Amino acid sequence: DTEVTQTPKHLVMGMTNKKSLKCEQHMGHRAMYWYKQKAKKPPELMFVYSYEKLSINESVPSRFSPECPNSSLLNLHLHALQPEDSALYLCASSQPDLDREKLFFGSGTQLSVL
Amino acid sequence: KNQVEQSPQSLIILEGKNCTLQCNYTVSPFSNLRWYKQDTGRGPVSLTIMTFSENTKSNGRYTATLDADTKQSSLHITASQLSDSASYICVVTWDTDKLIFGTGTRLQVFP
Repeated sequence: DTEVTQTPKHLVMGMTNKKSLKCEQHMGHRAMYWYKQKAKKPPELMFVYSYEKLSINESVPSRFSPECPNSSLLNLHLHALQPEDSALYLCASSQPDLDREKLFFGSGTQLSVL
Repeated sequence: KNQVEQSPQSLIILEGKNCTLQCNYTVSPFSNLRWYKQDTGRGPVSLTIMTFSENTKSNGRYTATLDADTKQSSLHITASQLSDSASYICVVTWDTDKLIFGTGTRLQVFP
């Protein structure tokens, strides 16, 4: 299994809603990432978890709350988002001891905030 | 300033033709360079990865080159297919674990 699975594939939410994005991998990777990608722009790093501990937070607003329940799962909890948060949210995983050589991306969740 | 620049920004070619995409970087210390293919609304898929000592790597019809002296890389696509239509992103790893994404080249292959 060499896949990173993200659910849902599409999400539409209002600014008062609470929702969660989910990411799962069974490759034994111990580093997992959240990226945000606007249309026609490169992905921007949001968070990095290494060995289930948050190691990087790229000054992301608190309305985005990551969670890593175990080594296979990564969640991104969303609350009180703004329309400008609409984007493709990508999850990725890698094995940190191998210099991120095998960095795998999920297919993403296309988020629309109304 | 660490940067990754790609050219052209967009490219249209006919099916069956070859094309070459460029990536120039000013990143130090350099760890590796990857090329990704990204379909619209999907996650990037890795095509190749090259370290400092490698100057060419192939993956089917995709061949990447790396010149570490001039800090340039290219991705050559041979005998293009309609399914090659996508964005191609150059990503440079520096300082062991930090990634810098290029802005990508949008390739469209027409029949």
